[in-house]
Amino acid sequence: DIQMTQSPSSVSASVGDRVTITCRASQGINSWLAWYQQKPGKAPKLLIYGASSLQTGVPSRFSGSGSGTDFTLTISSLQPEDFAIYYCQQANSFPLTFGGGTKVEIK
Amino acid sequence: EVQLVESGGGLVQPGRSLRLSCAASGFTFDDYAMHWVRQGPGKGLEWVSGISWNNDKIVYADSVKGRFTISRDNARNSLYLQVNSLRLEDTALYYCAKGGDSGWKNLDSWGQGTLVTVSS
Repeated sequence: DIQMTQSPSSVSASVGDRVTITCRASQGINSWLAWYQQKPGKAPKLLIYGASSLQTGVPSRFSGSGSGTDFTLTISSLQPEDFAIYYCQQANSFPLTFGGGTKVEIK
Repeated sequence: EVQLVESGGGLVQPGRSLRLSCAASGFTFDDYAMHWVRQGPGKGLEWVSGISWNNDKIVYADSVKGRFTISRDNARNSLYLQVNSLRLEDTALYYCAKGGDSGWKNLDSWGQGTLVTVSS
């Protein structure tokens, strides 16, 4: 199975800050990487697929990059509604696997 | 608008069974793969199982293989998960998720989940 490792596990930031979350796969997955946002008590929401493609309706302040084993999710200017937990997921092969999550908290 | 509504969860003793259901609407159900993903209390996301649009590919996580069975009824726009031989560690919120237009391993819509609690 492909292991997904996210860092940091949590980050404190202020509105307007640039936030970067990283995700590393235990083996190469090309660009088969998705990012999800989960708010408390809610289901996850797909933000980015194919490592860098923005899902329809997702604000352009979210961006993704990377290929192979190392990936990044960037929020260019953090908004109040962005405080949540973010998960990466490899979409290269079954079983699908998720990173452990990164909690973005208010500073 | 895509809607996925799960049901069938509950409190159950170890070793017992449940059948989870997911009613889909707002999209052409038989065009898309579907998945089950679970989340233990205070924990991260764990993919459980997936099924292709026409049932020709069915996959499971090792942790549930041989105990859980995924199925779908395209005529009823419904997805199911038969969960047998339940263990304490199966306690979780079970989400139904739709495979994406961009590839069936991207999960582009999720339901609100149905809670399964395994306890004696």
